[in-house]
Amino acid sequence: AQSVTQLGSHVSVSEGALVLLRCNYSSSVPPYLFWYVQYPNQGLQLLLKYTSAATLVKGINGFEAEFKKSETSFHLTKPSAHMSDAAEYFCAVSDSGNTGKLIFGQGTTLQVKP
Amino acid sequence: EPEVTQTPSHQVTQMGQEVILRCVPISNHLYFYWYRQILGQKVEFLVSFYNNEISEKSEIFDDQFSVERPDGSNFTLKIRSTKLEDSAMYFCASSEKSPGTQYFGPGTRLLVL
Repeated sequence: AQSVTQLGSHVSVSEGALVLLRCNYSSSVPPYLFWYVQYPNQGLQLLLKYTSAATLVKGINGFEAEFKKSETSFHLTKPSAHMSDAAEYFCAVSDSGNTGKLIFGQGTTLQVKP
Repeated sequence: EPEVTQTPSHQVTQMGQEVILRCVPISNHLYFYWYRQILGQKVEFLVSFYNNEISEKSEIFDDQFSVERPDGSNFTLKIRSTKLEDSAMYFCASSEKSPGTQYFGPGTRLLVL
């Protein structure tokens, strides 16, 4: 069965600092991987996705993620944090079956300090 | 840009009552999903729907739950007899293909008293 682990339920960075949110997955087949962001009291917005093309994926708002098969990781990074990046971030893997359901990690709350 | 919409945004109901949550997926999408997120927890898959039938459901999706696509645009989730533990945010999502990128609606926050 596929699974996702996000290391660190809370991450705090200073404005302008590097953001690194960790995600490891378990999958017996090549996965589709996603990062979603959830701002307070809002729905899930797609940040970026990996679908077996380039291993370095660029998304919206300056975020990017690198797929590393050897490490089964898909960490999310941003060179310089903005206050507006404060939100909850979810890593998800798409089920290998035909239904394509998403399996989510526990989420990481990003706090950005001035 | 096309988006998934959900109504109502908030619903308060008494335990044992029936609720229907409504979703309008993106028009050319063929795969539809419901997820829920209990406060402070992760997003959990409930059910997937394709070609007018359920393609997969989770253990959470018991006999109290049902889904329907009554017309060409709406996709509904019905909870027949709500329980306190059904209180959660319910998200609808749709995708053009499977597996593929799922686009989420803003959610319906359900509170069961």
